[in-house]
Amino acid sequence: DQQVKQNSPSLSVQEGRISILNCDYTNSMFDYFLWYKKYPAEGPTFLISISSIKDKNEDGRFTVFLNKSAKHLSLHIVPSQPGDSAVYFCAACHSGNTPLVFGKGTRLSVIA
Amino acid sequence: DAGVIQSPRHEVTEMGQEVTLRCKPISGHNSLFWYRQTMMRGLELLIYFNNNVPIDDSGMPEDRFSAKMPNASFSTLKIQPSEPRDSAVYFCASSQGNPHQPQHFGDGTRLSIL
Repeated sequence: DQQVKQNSPSLSVQEGRISILNCDYTNSMFDYFLWYKKYPAEGPTFLISISSIKDKNEDGRFTVFLNKSAKHLSLHIVPSQPGDSAVYFCAACHSGNTPLVFGKGTRLSVIA
Repeated sequence: DAGVIQSPRHEVTEMGQEVTLRCKPISGHNSLFWYRQTMMRGLELLIYFNNNVPIDDSGMPEDRFSAKMPNASFSTLKIQPSEPRDSAVYFCASSQGNPHQPQHFGDGTRLSIL
C-alpha cells in the first residue's frame, strides 16, 4: 500500500508558465516532506523541504505548500524553465529515525 | 567535495551469478541507505545503516540480498544468486545527523540480469 502517491506520471508545461506537481500521503504520522529532482542517469538531488509546522516554504522559483488536513502537498515552479525538465519525487518521513518514503515520481517536461 | 560514489555504473550479468554493488558515502555522513528503482515500484528503500549498524532491512526482497557496512566509508549490496527480476537501478544515499537532513544520492548502478 503506497503511503506517498504522485498520481500524475507526467506533466508538460510551457516555458515561463507555472508548473504544479502534486503529492498525497496517507500516513498521518508523517511530519516532514521533501522534494527531489532527478535527471536521467543521475541520482535524485534534494530540492526543497517543509516541516508540518509550516504550510509554505519558498526557495527562489520553488515553493512547496502543505495542506495537512487534506494530506496533500504541492510543488510550484515559477517561472518554469527548460532546465527544470526532470522527474520530481515527493518524499515523507516521521520525526525520529525513520527513513524517507518516496512517491513514484512525476516527469516534468518544460517546452520552450 | 566528492559526492556519494557508486560502482560499477552498469552491470550486465547472467542469472545465477553473484552481483556486488559498492558505495562510498560522503565523508562525515553517519547514515547510509540502499534503494532500488523500478518502473513498477518507484524508489524503494532496501536497507539503511546508522553508524555502520543495519537499522532496518525490512525492504530487502529476500535472502538472496545482503548488505554490509564494514566501516564508515564503504558499503556493499550483494545479490546471490541473481535473477532477471532483480534488474533495476540501485541507488546508494548518505546523510548526516538527524533524519531531517536531506539524503545525498549517488548516480546509481544500472543492473541487468539476463
